[in-house]
Parts: sequence; structure tokens; C-alpha cells
Amino acid sequence: EAQVTQNPRYLITVTGKKLTVTCSQNMNHEYMSWYRQDPGLGLRQIYYSMNVEVTDKGDVPEGYKVSRKEKRNFPLILESPSPNQTSLYFCASSLSWGRSNQPQHFGDGTRLSIL
Amino acid sequence: GQQVMQIPQYQHVQEGEDFTTYCNSSTTLSNIQWYKQRPGGHPVFLIQLVKSGEVKKQKRLTFQFGEAKKNSSLHITATQTTDVGTYFCASYSSASKIIFGSGTRLSIRP
Repeated sequence: EAQVTQNPRYLITVTGKKLTVTCSQNMNHEYMSWYRQDPGLGLRQIYYSMNVEVTDKGDVPEGYKVSRKEKRNFPLILESPSPNQTSLYFCASSLSWGRSNQPQHFGDGTRLSIL
Repeated sequence: GQQVMQIPQYQHVQEGEDFTTYCNSSTTLSNIQWYKQRPGGHPVFLIQLVKSGEVKKQKRLTFQFGEAKKNSSLHITATQTTDVGTYFCASYSSASKIIFGSGTRLSIRP
């Protein structure tokens, strides 16, 4: 089954404790992206990757890191989490990017609480 | 940077009434995508519009892309309880970023 898998689904942690949220897709998609969703603000792009070893900042990259060493995986790393990073996070992928008609496929989300 | 404004933020309708959400940009959009997110779920792609003035229909849903490619709308005719959720528009910026509208949450009185 074609899917985007995120782990964990839920995480409660404390300020400053490094964490990684994994994302994996099995559709051989080139474009992958991380979003955070906050009430009233919609989905804001954190980082995106157009292919292996190609990553770039979205609109809210501060406090986050990503890597794209393999096509299928795009982990989101919070080196020193802070309470303002408490949010619902989504990973998404699409076959390619830009003007072509490629929908994004989203994972089920990770609800992150930082105390 | 590029922004996509979406209104209204909330809409509460009686089942059977129509619903419309609007997205507006100050700059020309290359394309616009629409997504639906059910409560507790993840966004699911509905449709993409690319051409100026384009209109597409999916059963009771009608999607429009403005002539100047700066605005778009989603209209639902005769809403049903299955239409409950948040509807988002999204577009690619010139830098390959994806910009989402803030969403319109639709709730329905049975």
C-alpha cells in the first residue's frame, strides 16, 4: 500500500532533549516536506527536499534540522526542543515539485508536546 | 514573501445549505491545489487547478481559478455531514516552497 509513515504518532518530552521524528515513503517520490499545524495558522512548511541530498528551508525552519540521505526517508530533528515547538507535525511527499500536477500525500501526523 | 489568504476561518451551516471558501493571493499563482482534512485526520488532496479561469467539478464540489490566477474558490452544493472538515488551498511559490492558506473549518448542523 502506498503510504507516508511517520513515527512516533505522539510524543511528550521536555525542553532541551533532542528528538527525531521519522518519515518514510514507499512511492519513490522525489519531493518531501515537513509541516507544522497550529490553530488558526494552517499548515506552515518547515523544510522541504527536492531529491536526495537537496534540502531547503520553508517558512518556519528555525529550531529544526532535516536530512535526505535516502530517497525514501526524511527525518525531522529538533536538537534542543522548546515549548513553542509544541504542535502537530505532518510529513508529506509528492512525485515531483513545481508546476506539474502532483498531489502531496500526507502522513498521519505526529502530535508533539514539549514541557 | 508570498502569502495566500483564506476566508472565512469558520463556517457553520445547516445540512443542505451551500458552502464556499475563498483563497486570495497578492501575486500570480502558478497553480492551486485544494485539500480536505477531516477532524483528527491528515490533509487529503482534492484537486489541482492550473489554467486561468479554470472550473472543475467533483460531484457537489466546484473549484474555480480566477482569470488573473490570483484567487480561487471551492463551493459545495447542498452540504452533507460527510463534508465536515477543514478545507485548505495551497500553491507552490517560485522557490519550490509550498504555501498553504490558513484553512476554513466547516461544521454542519444535521
